[in-house]
Amino acid sequence: EAAVTQSPRNKVAVTGGKVTLSCNQTNNHNNMYWYRQDTGHGLRLIHYSYGAGSTEKGDIPDGYKASRPSQENFSLILELATPSQTSVYFCASGLRDWETLYFGSGTRLTVL
Amino acid sequence: GDSVTQTEGLVTVTEGLPVKLNCTYQTTYLTIAFFWYVQYLNEAPQVLLRSSTDNKRTEHQGFHATLHKSSSSFHLQKSSAQLSDSALYYCALRSYQGGSAKLIFGEGTKLTVSS
Repeated sequence: EAAVTQSPRNKVAVTGGKVTLSCNQTNNHNNMYWYRQDTGHGLRLIHYSYGAGSTEKGDIPDGYKASRPSQENFSLILELATPSQTSVYFCASGLRDWETLYFGSGTRLTVL
Repeated sequence: GDSVTQTEGLVTVTEGLPVKLNCTYQTTYLTIAFFWYVQYLNEAPQVLLRSSTDNKRTEHQGFHATLHKSSSSFHLQKSSAQLSDSALYYCALRSYQGGSAKLIFGEGTKLTVSS
């Protein structure tokens, strides 16, 4: 069974602060992804990675950075958080290019 | 560019009645696959169905969908909705060509099954 773990589950941040969302997968999948979920927009891709040391921009990368230090870990970094980044963030992993994705349980981020 | 459209944001159906969630797409890629993901309340999205074969019915957990390239559709159906089917459903298009692939999600349809 695929296992993708996100932390924290909930986060409240202040405008202008730095936020780091963490994701760990034990599936040994090469590919990892960060999405945000907003009503009316569905799941939108922020960044993704094909392996340790690589990161790629998704459809909405502005205001976000990503880091993939190892096969297991993929972080999403908000250097200067803004209220528009209030959302639910999902991490996912996958074995092959954009095939079945295995999602984590999400992080609810509120930026005040 | 490529797009996926789920026309209904909210679908409400009575338990025991059939349900259909619509999904259409636009793509210029020749090699495609389609997914339906389901997300139960406070849980992670998980794959429900996958198909890449034109006109072939795919079934799982009582749901079924058929990819129709002629009409660019991959609607999700169930003959008898259950209360436990209440969830958010996403349609997703995976397109692949020349070593490049991408995945596009629709906006999602919230299904509410009432007794």
